[in-house]
Amino acid sequence: DARVTQTPRHKVTEMGQEVTMRCQPILGHNTVFWYRQTMMQGLELLAYFRNRAPLDDSGMPKDRFSAEMPDATLATLKIQPSEPRDSAVYFCASALRDTQYFGPGTRLTVL
Amino acid sequence: RKEVEQDPGPFNVPEGATVAFNCTYSNSASQSFFWYRQDCRKEPKLLMSVYSSGNEDGRFTAQLNRASQYISLLIRDSKLSDSATYLCVVNKIGYSTLTFGKGTMLLVSP
Repeated sequence: DARVTQTPRHKVTEMGQEVTMRCQPILGHNTVFWYRQTMMQGLELLAYFRNRAPLDDSGMPKDRFSAEMPDATLATLKIQPSEPRDSAVYFCASALRDTQYFGPGTRLTVL
Repeated sequence: RKEVEQDPGPFNVPEGATVAFNCTYSNSASQSFFWYRQDCRKEPKLLMSVYSSGNEDGRFTAQLNRASQYISLLIRDSKLSDSATYLCVVNKIGYSTLTFGKGTMLLVSP
């Protein structure tokens, strides 16, 4: 049963620290998405890649967030420096066509 | 107008009841529509796609009304396990991305 995996599942850090979240998409899926979910905003698209190339990162605060896909099996989302308002659940999803399959998420708390 | 709007609920229904959710979308050129389900503290999971002709999967029926730009989800014979948040999802024309509504919470009680 192919699944998207994400690490870490939970992260508590202090303001100003760097946070790195990792995602392994489903093998064969060529599109990878990063989302952030909060109670207030719901699911927001931060960035996405197709065939490892970044296509849209307009939803991401550019000054502190960066997303990369160093190879087909790994996508990363970094926050540097982190702020309390970054506290949220970060989901990675992968897709081959329209249907997106989500990972279990990284629950981030920035103190 | 928001791109995808849903009544946040919660909808409280007893087991066995029939419940329906609606969702409206703003972009008349949208082409792909889905319902996702999200359990508390879990990831969203695809429940069903929504086709122009409507589609049914067991107790779940999805309908699309392009003229009025809304999508509906009907759940018959509700089970306790149907308690979740249901997310209405629409594709964004010109992109490969999906736009998610904030979800409708359903609580099914014994």
